[in-house]
Amino acid sequence: DSGVTQTPKHLITATGQRVTLRCSPRSGDLSVYWYQQSLDQGLQFLIQYYNGEERAKGNILERFSAQQFPDLHSELNLSSLELGDSALYFCASSSIAGGTDTQYFGPGTRLTVL
Amino acid sequence: AQSVAQPEDQVNVAEGNPLTVKCTYSVSGNPYLFWYVQYPNRGLQFLLKYITGDNLVKGSYGFEAEFNKSQTSFHLKKPSALVSDSALYFCAVRASNSGNTPLVFGKGTRLSVIA
Repeated sequence: DSGVTQTPKHLITATGQRVTLRCSPRSGDLSVYWYQQSLDQGLQFLIQYYNGEERAKGNILERFSAQQFPDLHSELNLSSLELGDSALYFCASSSIAGGTDTQYFGPGTRLTVL
Repeated sequence: AQSVAQPEDQVNVAEGNPLTVKCTYSVSGNPYLFWYVQYPNRGLQFLLKYITGDNLVKGSYGFEAEFNKSQTSFHLKKPSALVSDSALYFCAVRASNSGNTPLVFGKGTRLSVIA
């Protein structure tokens, strides 16, 4: 157990809908990362927050947004969902924002868009 | 730009034999290198990392990795494979002078250990 929690574990929804994925980092970690894992694209970095501020942005669609709250948990919002958004979404946390720091991953949320 | 290549999509090895999962990287400057393992329906688990110092890094579950600067490689090794090592393995890199940039992951190598 990495100490990173994600809810829900599974999510099934329809095209056009909006969902929110939640992540709680390890105790003491200030940095949160979101990744999308699909069969054809591998592990894609979406976005990073550090202590409430956006720190880095990757291949995140405009339909997706995220935030990190004062208690350091983070939410990833996916809207106008398409079939191609079906994937595993992982959250990771680390104590600082980069450098030698190790990222610890949560168990993921499996999103299925029908 | 930083990049990682895992040249093999799939590696098959017999139980008890040594295993190697290959990784090469490209960064400007010195790299920080990481290996993660993903078991079915699970998140990625950290195995080991190279920051500086000894080129041979020992990690969890008997795995080790060798940093080779001249070949820009960081291959993952284990002397004797177990069936339970069957999983998806990811190599990742960050340049030491890249500030707060996130890790860049390879596409993963699926290891299958056959009894």
